[in-house]
Order: sequence, then C-alpha cells, then structure tokens
Amino acid sequence: AQTVTQSQPEMSVQEAETVTLSCTYDTSESDYYLFWYKQPPSRQMILVIRQEAYKQQNATENRFSVNFQKAAKSFSLKISDSQLGDAAMYFCAYRDPDFNKFYFGSGTKLNVKP
Amino acid sequence: DADVTQTPRNRITKTGKRIMLECSQTKGHDRMYWYRQDPGLGLQLIYYSFDVKDINKGEISDGYSVSRQAQAKFSLSLESAIPNQTALYFCATSDNLNTGELFFGEGSRLTVL
Repeated sequence: AQTVTQSQPEMSVQEAETVTLSCTYDTSESDYYLFWYKQPPSRQMILVIRQEAYKQQNATENRFSVNFQKAAKSFSLKISDSQLGDAAMYFCAYRDPDFNKFYFGSGTKLNVKP
Repeated sequence: DADVTQTPRNRITKTGKRIMLECSQTKGHDRMYWYRQDPGLGLQLIYYSFDVKDINKGEISDGYSVSRQAQAKFSLSLESAIPNQTALYFCATSDNLNTGELFFGEGSRLTVL
C-alpha cells in the first residue's frame, strides 16, 4: 500500500499571514494524482486543490497553491492571506492510477488566530 | 440536496448489535468507497466497488461487510458491533477518469457502547 505522511499534527497561523502544510508520499509510479482536502468542524470533506504528477507546473486555486517536488515526493500546501474560515483539518491524499484507490495522510489541524 | 447522502448521520448502539450505514449518490458515478476516520489516523479504506458486480476489500475490512444494491447505492454493515468500531464513517464516489477526485458524503458518526 502507498503511504502518505503529514508530519505536522497541528499548526497555527495569524489571520492574513501565510502558512505551509507539509506532505510526503511514497510511490513507485510515475503518473499519479495528489489532492488536498479540507475538513471543517462541520466534518464535510471538501477538495481544496489537485495536482497531476505529469505536470511540472504547481497547481493554484485562489489563495491556495502547492509546491510539488516529484523527485522528493513532496506535496506541500501554501495558504496565503489566511482567513478564519480556513481553520480546519487538512488531509493530503494520493490516488493510485492502477487501482484507483485513494490513500490519505493523518491530517494537520490548522488554527487561525484573529 | 447533497450529491452523496449518508444515513444515519449519527448513531449510538450497543456492543453486539447489527448496524447498517447507507449511502446513495446522484452523481452517476460507478465507483463508490467506504472510509473510516479515526483521530490521528486519517481516513482508512474499508471497501470499494467499481460497479454493482465488483466489490473489493480495503485495508481494514475485518468486521465489516458491504452490499452494492444498485449503481447509486452502497451500504456498509457491522454484523456485530464492537467499541473499537466507534468512528466517523464516510461514503465517497469518484468518476472513471484517473484524474477524478473523491466526492464525499457528510459522514456517519457511529458510537458503540
């Protein structure tokens, strides 16, 4: 099974500041997909951003961007201009292209301070 | 209405009881999944199904069973619930494209006393 590691169980950021959440993964595949999901207190899982491994350009969605380092198997999420509504659990996920299974990290709880 | 609907949203039961969690979707996706979320462990795959006749075990299938009644319905059963099955359970769907993400239901919180 693939492994996805999030080494930061909890992080804090001041409102309007920038924060980076880390994720590493293990795979022998060359073509795969990576995702960041957000889980607010409502517990709904919400897709934040997606990255295709064959694309060298880092994905960006408004205030959210990733730093995808394929050789290092690293996929970090940067949140700019943090807002109170960004407070949530964030999960990194890897999609296995052959078996179409998704593997999740253990999550990072993000606190946003006013 | 939500695209992926789970029932019940919350359930408290006793050890040894049989429990069924139901999931229905209106997204038209063939692929459906059941995940379990525990604090500090992320989401772990219990079972997944790529069509009505295709059901596969995930990493933590022991103690669970599933039924794919139709393309849109995928239920998870605990035949004899035990306290360490207390968790948040998610149903999810995905399309047939390799680029597709998971679409989640709102979760079913199960407490086994």
